[in-house]
Amino acid sequence: AQTVTQSQPEMSVQEAETVTLSCTYDTSESDYYLFWYKQPPSRQMILVIRQEAYKQQNATENRFSVNFQKAAKSFSLKISDSQLGDAAMYFCAYRGGETSGSRLTFGEGTQLTVNP
Amino acid sequence: NAGVMQNPRHLVRRRGQEARLRCSPMKGHSHVYWYRQLPEEGLKFMVYLQKENIIDESGMPKERFSAEFPKEGPSILRIQQVVRGDSAAYFCASSPLRGRDNSPLHFGNGTRLTVT
Repeated sequence: AQTVTQSQPEMSVQEAETVTLSCTYDTSESDYYLFWYKQPPSRQMILVIRQEAYKQQNATENRFSVNFQKAAKSFSLKISDSQLGDAAMYFCAYRGGETSGSRLTFGEGTQLTVNP
Repeated sequence: NAGVMQNPRHLVRRRGQEARLRCSPMKGHSHVYWYRQLPEEGLKFMVYLQKENIIDESGMPKERFSAEFPKEGPSILRIQQVVRGDSAAYFCASSPLRGRDNSPLHFGNGTRLTVT
């Protein structure tokens, strides 16, 4: 079974600085998808960024980028120029390819605090 | 285009009562997923449904829990004879496709169930 591990329960960053959230996963599949979701206090799950395993290029969405290391099964999220609105719980998620169904497997989350 | 709609937002039940949680997927989405989030934890997959079909219920407790997605109307997650351990946030997500690509799941705002 696939597992997703986020080893940092809590992280903090100063406004305008850069922070990196770690995520590792375990899978025997070669084709899969990885996601980062953000959950603010409102509890809404917001997609931040996604990565296809077959793509070597790291995904980027404005201030958010990933460092995808397929061999190491690592998928970290970098937030540049951190803003107060980035404060939230961040979840890393894995979805397998066609053979393993459609469900997402989530990590336990990293609570990010942004200090003014 | 309305997002995934869940209701109620908050639900309080006494032990032994039944809880019914509703989810209307995004327009054009025919695949629905239910997840449970216990306090201070990540989201755990429960069940994946298409219209009138349960595709994957491997995360669903064997007793007291059931889910349906009828041809007409919302998807329903039903918990019979609730116990305190059922207290959690229940999230519904939808997608237009089976998940063979990187289409993200669109999440509702969740229903927080409190069992007293």
